[in-house]
Amino acid sequence: EVQLVESGGGLVQPGGSLRLSCAASGFTFSMYWMSWVRQAPGKGLEWVANIKQDGSEKFYVDSVKGRLTISRDNAKDLLYLQMNSLRAEDTAVYYCARVPYYMDVWGKGTTVIVSS
Amino acid sequence: DIQMTQSPSSVSASVGDRVTITCRASQDISTWLAWYQQKPGKAPKLLISATSSLQSGVPSRFSGSGSGTDFTLTISSLQPEDFATYYCQQANSFPQFTFGPGTKVDIK
Repeated sequence: EVQLVESGGGLVQPGGSLRLSCAASGFTFSMYWMSWVRQAPGKGLEWVANIKQDGSEKFYVDSVKGRLTISRDNAKDLLYLQMNSLRAEDTAVYYCARVPYYMDVWGKGTTVIVSS
Repeated sequence: DIQMTQSPSSVSASVGDRVTITCRASQDISTWLAWYQQKPGKAPKLLISATSSLQSGVPSRFSGSGSGTDFTLTISSLQPEDFATYYCQQANSFPQFTFGPGTKVDIK
């Protein structure tokens, strides 16, 4: 079964850091671009970042550039999102998704709450 | 950056109704458009890719059309399981994406 499982969410203070993980199974992880997408409480979907199959190219939405970093470990079938200098507006459910041009497989999400 | 808009923001409909949701891009995106369905507390689900390609397992009552800047998602006969929020997403600027703000379909 093709599956993505996120972990690492939690409560963090403003200015703090967190690393999210996404474990892939059931498909050849190294063949796909991967995405992080977030959804603030009661709001719509926001694309956050994409990473190429070999990790050589990374793209971000403007609001997270310089603070959030996407990476991957193809040997372990893991996708990461390193989150630094967190702000209240980063509070959201974070989803990872597989991207053969469109996001065809999604995880169930992990919740990040930035609050003092 | 490509901006996406959707209308209406919400629609109340009854089982059996035909529902049409519109998505507009701020510039020509050819047919690089997808539609997702999201139910409360759940992850989004890809319904349609490349404007009109139905994903495997998606009922044929869903259809998509359009090109350029104007796109439509149609549910031909609304079923109880279709009450959800629907998002369009452009992939013309891949690998940078933009979602529309969403359209909530609820029970009339």
